[in-house]
Amino acid sequence: EIVLTQSPGTLSLSSGERATLFCRASQSVSNNNLAWYQQKPGQPPRLLISGASSRATGFPDRFSASGSGTDFTLTISRLEPEDFAVYYCQQYGTSPITFGQGTRLEIK
Amino acid sequence: QVQLVESGGGLVKPGGSLRVSCAASGLTFNDYYMSWIRQAPGKGLEWLSCISGSSGTKSYADSVKGRFSISRDNAKNSLYLQMDSLGAEDAAVYYCATGGNRYIEHWGQGTLVTVSS
Repeated sequence: EIVLTQSPGTLSLSSGERATLFCRASQSVSNNNLAWYQQKPGQPPRLLISGASSRATGFPDRFSASGSGTDFTLTISRLEPEDFAVYYCQQYGTSPITFGQGTRLEIK
Repeated sequence: QVQLVESGGGLVKPGGSLRVSCAASGLTFNDYYMSWIRQAPGKGLEWLSCISGSSGTKSYADSVKGRFSISRDNAKNSLYLQMDSLGAEDAAVYYCATGGNRYIEHWGQGTLVTVSS
């Protein structure tokens, strides 16, 4: 199975700053079938990005994502208080689907 | 809108069994692959199993293969996960979700399974 490694494990930033989260796959993700999710405490994950770069409905354009092959990036251009959460990447190009271990984005 | 509501979680003894269910609404249920995904307390997400719309295709993670069984009843818009031989490592919130061979667009709120004597 494809192992996804997210870095950093925890990212401490202030509102207004730029956040960059990484997701590296153990082998190439087929058709760039990579998604990102946002999870807040006590809630299920929420789809943020699909197809490596397509933003889901309801998320503002300060969220962007890119990447291909084995290296993917999620960027939040200017952090708002509601953006502090845990972010997971997921690949769905090869069965079984797998998730990264998550990056916790916390307020500095 | 799509709504997925899990039920059936609770406390079970090690070695015991439990069946969790998911009631779906707001979608053409039999058009969707469905999955079960779990999250242990304070941990990440683990995909467990998925089933095609017709129930013709089922897949399992190695961690639950042979112990867990996924099924669905399209007439009732319901998804199930039968869990046997439960151990402490199975304690988690169990999420019902649309998809299984793609990104997960819809998630339920989850049902908590606790394994303890």
